[in-house]
Amino acid sequence: EPEVTQTPSHQVTQMGQEVILRCVPISNHLYFYWYRQILGQKVEFLVSFYNNEISEKSEIFDDQFSVERPDGSNFTLKIRSTKLEDSAMYFCASSGPGSGLFDAGANVLTFGAGSRLTVL
Amino acid sequence: KQEVTQIPAALSVPEGENLVLNCSFTDSAIYNLQWFRQDPGKGLTSLLLIQSSQREQTSGRLNASLDKSSGRSTLYIAASQPGDSATYLCAAENSGGYQKVTFGTGTKLQVIP
Repeated sequence: EPEVTQTPSHQVTQMGQEVILRCVPISNHLYFYWYRQILGQKVEFLVSFYNNEISEKSEIFDDQFSVERPDGSNFTLKIRSTKLEDSAMYFCASSGPGSGLFDAGANVLTFGAGSRLTVL
Repeated sequence: KQEVTQIPAALSVPEGENLVLNCSFTDSAIYNLQWFRQDPGKGLTSLLLIQSSQREQTSGRLNASLDKSSGRSTLYIAASQPGDSATYLCAAENSGGYQKVTFGTGTKLQVIP
């Protein structure tokens, strides 16, 4: 079964360092997302990406964050200067073969296993 | 702003029992509602998706219902097994298309052999 893959599974970094989290979405999907889950808290939406641009972002997704789809297969999340409070599990997700908003199958989100970021 | 709440936060049942997990949401203008399973150290697995025009969806031993007017969804698990032990999350989508879903707090289920 197709899956979303994320690397690294765990990254430890010093405060102030830049981090790039990588994701390979399902190949025929057109919508891409990043979510995060701080330990013990809810899964929170960060950003959605479609047609090579951000379609929606949350208030969490400030200027420290950026996303990119550099080569048609990878989807990356960059945190420019990490803070202690950025420590969380970051989940990538993808959906939609692009058959339309009312196709139930197109709306099922497929998540990766997550990348755990620890900022010291 | 959509708020999603799940009750109970944790549930422990003996193997074989049927059980119901509850999800409530404040904004009834949802596009769909999804139930996910989260295992420790792993990602989120989609279990069932209910479109706003639907009342329920079934997959194997799982049945999810949706009542938009009351802002509630339930996930029914029949004949529970130890392998069902996980955290169950519901997530409501309001925006349509770009799937900014709002997740609930989760119910941690333990099925005791």
